[in-house]
Amino acid sequence: QVQLVESGGGVVQPGRSLRLSCAASGITFSSYAMHWVRQAPGKGLEWVAVISYDGDKKYYADSVKGRFTISRDNSKNTLYGQMNSLRIEDTAVYYCAKDRSDAGYSAFDIWGQGTMVIVSS
Amino acid sequence: SYVLTQSPSVSVAPGQTATITCGGNNIGRRSAHWYQQKPGQAPVLVVYTDSERPSGIPERFSGSNSGNTATLTISRVEAGDEADYYCQVWDGDSDHRVFGGGTKLTVL
Repeated sequence: QVQLVESGGGVVQPGRSLRLSCAASGITFSSYAMHWVRQAPGKGLEWVAVISYDGDKKYYADSVKGRFTISRDNSKNTLYGQMNSLRIEDTAVYYCAKDRSDAGYSAFDIWGQGTMVIVSS
Repeated sequence: SYVLTQSPSVSVAPGQTATITCGGNNIGRRSAHWYQQKPGQAPVLVVYTDSERPSGIPERFSGSNSGNTATLTISRVEAGDEADYYCQVWDGDSDHRVFGGGTKLTVL
């Protein structure tokens, strides 16, 4: 069964850090690029970051560049998102999503159920 | 940065055809993808690379892309199609992936 399961969300104070994880099963994880996408409450989808199949290439949205680090461990079929210097506006549901390609230039064909991050004092 | 523009809402009666558009500068030169998101659920890919349907997506869902507009067409609309729909492209100039603001489809 193809599945992506996110974890690591929670309530955190501004300025603190959080590490998100996304465990993949039922797919050849090491063959595909992976993304983080977020959705603030009541808002639309916002792409956050992408990592190529081998971890060699990473790209970030301007809103998180310098504060968010995407990484992957292909031996553990797991994607990570390290969020630092969190801001109120980072409050959102964070989804991991599989790309149809190895480099991340195609559509997102499998999504996790999301993990909620709330940044609040 | 590249911007995709969608109408906030579209309404259609059951059995009719819904047309959801996504505007962007020369979007016809890019591959457009479409996602359906129902309340409280994760998005689902319904059309990729302009007009391809993933396995399991009904033939009622189709797409096209030309000039400055990509279009998602839903034929014979059903109550279960009520959802938010988002278009998305890869912006090669910035290497960013871009979503449109989303269109809420209401089935009357």
